[in-house]
Parts: sequence; C-alpha cells; structure tokens
Amino acid sequence: GENVEQHPSTLSVQEGDSAVIKCTYSDSASNYFPWYKQELGKGPQLIIDIRSNVGEKKDQRIAVTLNKTAKHFSLHITETQPEDSAVYFCAASFSRGANSKLTFGKGITLSVRP
Amino acid sequence: DAGVTQSPTHLIKTRGQQVTLRCSPKSGHDTVSWYQQALGQGPQFIFQYYEEEERQRGNFPDRFSGHQFPNYSSELNVNALLLGDSALYLCASSLGGSAFFGQGTRLTVV
Repeated sequence: GENVEQHPSTLSVQEGDSAVIKCTYSDSASNYFPWYKQELGKGPQLIIDIRSNVGEKKDQRIAVTLNKTAKHFSLHITETQPEDSAVYFCAASFSRGANSKLTFGKGITLSVRP
Repeated sequence: DAGVTQSPTHLIKTRGQQVTLRCSPKSGHDTVSWYQQALGQGPQFIFQYYEEEERQRGNFPDRFSGHQFPNYSSELNVNALLLGDSALYLCASSLGGSAFFGQGTRLTVV
C-alpha cells in the first residue's frame, strides 16, 4: 500500500521568512495530494491540494509543488505569521470517483517565532 | 454551512464496553470516511461509506464497524474497547473530491 513520509518533523522559522515542508510517497498510482493544517484540539483543515496532472498550485501565501518522477511534493508558505504555527500533514491517495482513502504522513510541527 | 459535525466531542469508556460516534457531513457531501488519530501521529484510515455501503476499509479489526444513513450521516461503532483504542476519531466528508474533516471525538478508554 501507499506510504507517505514527511520531513523534517519540526521546523522553526522567523516571522516573515518562508517555510518549506517536503513529503515523499511510494505508490506511483497516487493522483491526489492534499495538505492539512491541524491546530491544537481541532480537526485537520484542508489548506491546499493538487492533482497529478498539475505541477504547481498557488493560493495567496501558500503553494504546493509536485514532482511525479521523484514522487515527492512540497508545501511552501511565504511571509510566515505566528498564526501559521500548527501541525501540517501531507497526504496521498488514488482518487477514483467516490473512493479516496487518504494516507497521511506523521506531520510536522511548524513554529513561527515573532 | 455548518461543515462536518461530530458528536460527542469527548467520551470516556471502560475496557470491554462498546461506543458509538456520530458524524453529519458537510451539506451536499455524499461520502463519509472515518480516521483514527493517535497522539502525535497522522490520521489512519478506518473505512469509507458511500451510498450506504462500506466501500473501502483500512487495517482495522472487525470490532470497528459503521453505518451510513439515507441522509448521508454516519456512525462509527467500536465493540470490546481496548486501552489502545484511545485516540481522536475523525470524520471526513467529500463529494468525489477534497475531504473536509470535523473537529473529532476524543475517546479515552480506561
């Protein structure tokens, strides 16, 4: 089955700097790659996702890039703010119609220092 | 739009007991998935329901079962609770695409 690895496990950046979080996946059939932000005591919040027919997607300060050949994808956050501090999860799935089981990485704790 | 709602938010049960968790999907979403999230880990897929049938299942024992109702809401049942079942249980709903999660039910087994 699919295996998703996320690294590093923790990341600390200065407010205003950029943060990059990388994930690798094992199943070349995976075609859907979402990123979730989880704050303490809350459920994961979808922040951006990308499908395998697209190499890059951007939404304001957040962007995701996908390299299908190397089987890795990355989350880029620019101009980080203290409220970006949270645990970020990447996930992968082979999405086909209603079937979309997500396999998650272990998460990375992002700390933005004011 | 209320989003995905789960109940209860917290629950304490004794080993060997049974528990039922509930989920109402985001308006218009017809697919519900359940995940278990242990402390410090990513969510693990339990199973997915679509058209009132279990469509996919992860590596969880038969003690974990579910149901989807005609209004797309869903229940997760866990029998013969073990201490290791203590976790955050997350429900996610989707409509053939992106999955949106509820706030979860924190289950503690003592």
